[in-house]
Amino acid sequence: EAQVTQNPRYLITVTGKKLTVTCSQNMNHEYMSWYRQDPGLGLRQIYYSMNVEVTDKGDVPEGYKVSRKEKRNFPLILESPSPNQTSLYFCASSLSLGREQFFGPGTRLTVL
Amino acid sequence: GQQLNQSPQSMFIQEGEDVSMNCTSSSIFNTWLWYKQEPGEGPVLLIALYKAGELTSNGRLTAQFGITRKDSFLNISASIPSDVGIYFCAGQRYTGGFKTIFGAGTRLFVKA
Repeated sequence: EAQVTQNPRYLITVTGKKLTVTCSQNMNHEYMSWYRQDPGLGLRQIYYSMNVEVTDKGDVPEGYKVSRKEKRNFPLILESPSPNQTSLYFCASSLSLGREQFFGPGTRLTVL
Repeated sequence: GQQLNQSPQSMFIQEGEDVSMNCTSSSIFNTWLWYKQEPGEGPVLLIALYKAGELTSNGRLTAQFGITRKDSFLNISASIPSDVGIYFCAGQRYTGGFKTIFGAGTRLFVKA
């Protein structure tokens, strides 16, 4: 089944403790992206990647890092999480630039 | 950052009624996308639009890419209870990087 998977689905952590949220797609998509969703704000793009080793900032990249070493994986790294990074995070992928994006199930992160 | 103005914020309608929602921006977009999100899930693509003026249908849903490339609308005809959810528009454009901007969403309630 074609899909985007994220792990973990739920995570509660403390301020400053480094964490990684994984994202993987099995559709051989070139373009992958991370979003955060907060009440009343819709989804805001954090980082995106147009292909392996090619990443760029979205609208809200501060406090996040990404890497794209393989086509199928695009992990989101929070080196020193803070409470304002408590949010619902979505990974998405698309066949290529400008095509429709398919979303994973989401990761709900709480930073205490 | 860039913004999409999505309206209305919420709608309360009777089953069988038609629904219309729209997104506007001061910026030009290359692609317009419409998504639906249900509780606990990621957004699911409804319709993708790639050309100015394009009108596309998906069952009871119809969406159009505005001729100015700065707006898009989504219509739902003969609404049913399972149409309940949050509908998001998203615009994609290249501005020294390919970014995706989401509207804040339209929350639809359908009374049987």
